[in-house]
Amino acid sequence: ELKVEQNPLFLSMQEGKNYTIYCNYSTTSDRLYWYRQDPGKSLESLFVLLSNGAVKQEGRLMASLDTKARLSTLHITAAVHDLSATYFCAVDASGTYKYIFGTGTRLKVLA
Amino acid sequence: ETGVTQSPTHLIKTRGQQVTLRCSSQSGHNTVSWYQQALGQGPQFIFQYYREEENGRGNFPPRFSGLQFPNYSSELNVNALELDDSALYLCASSLGGAVGEQYFGPGTRLTVT
Repeated sequence: ELKVEQNPLFLSMQEGKNYTIYCNYSTTSDRLYWYRQDPGKSLESLFVLLSNGAVKQEGRLMASLDTKARLSTLHITAAVHDLSATYFCAVDASGTYKYIFGTGTRLKVLA
Repeated sequence: ETGVTQSPTHLIKTRGQQVTLRCSSQSGHNTVSWYQQALGQGPQFIFQYYREEENGRGNFPPRFSGLQFPNYSSELNVNALELDDSALYLCASSLGGAVGEQYFGPGTRLTVT
């Protein structure tokens, strides 16, 4: 069964600092998604990574995918308070019909 | 282009009752997936409908059932509600029977007392 693990689960960081969230998954997949969720809200799509070596950047966030290592990273550069949210990765295991979500990383950026 | 919509926004039910949640897919999408997100956890796949047929199911009991209509809107029905069914229910629409990028609706918050 496909498992998706994120670390850390909780992250408290100062504004202006850099940090990386890791997403490991247990089976072959070449499609991975990153979402942001604010408290009580739905999922906001951040990145769609569709092939090995894919790298995408939007503002202070950059995501990458290494399908051989079964690893995706979400890098935060010079964090600001507005980035405080929970971040989920989700894997679409080829041949199945569902997203498997990671455990989520709750990010709090301190002013 | 209309995005994914869900109704109602919030719902409170009593244990043992039945509930129906509704989802309208994004224009042009023929596939709807439903997820349950308990507080503090990631979304869990319930099932997916493609062209009015169930197209995959997660580890949820039969009291969770669904429908998809010819206009590709969908319903999630839960019978014999339990306290643990309290969660945010998300629907997502996509194009095609295989899983591709899914677009999530705003969710329905269900509270079972």
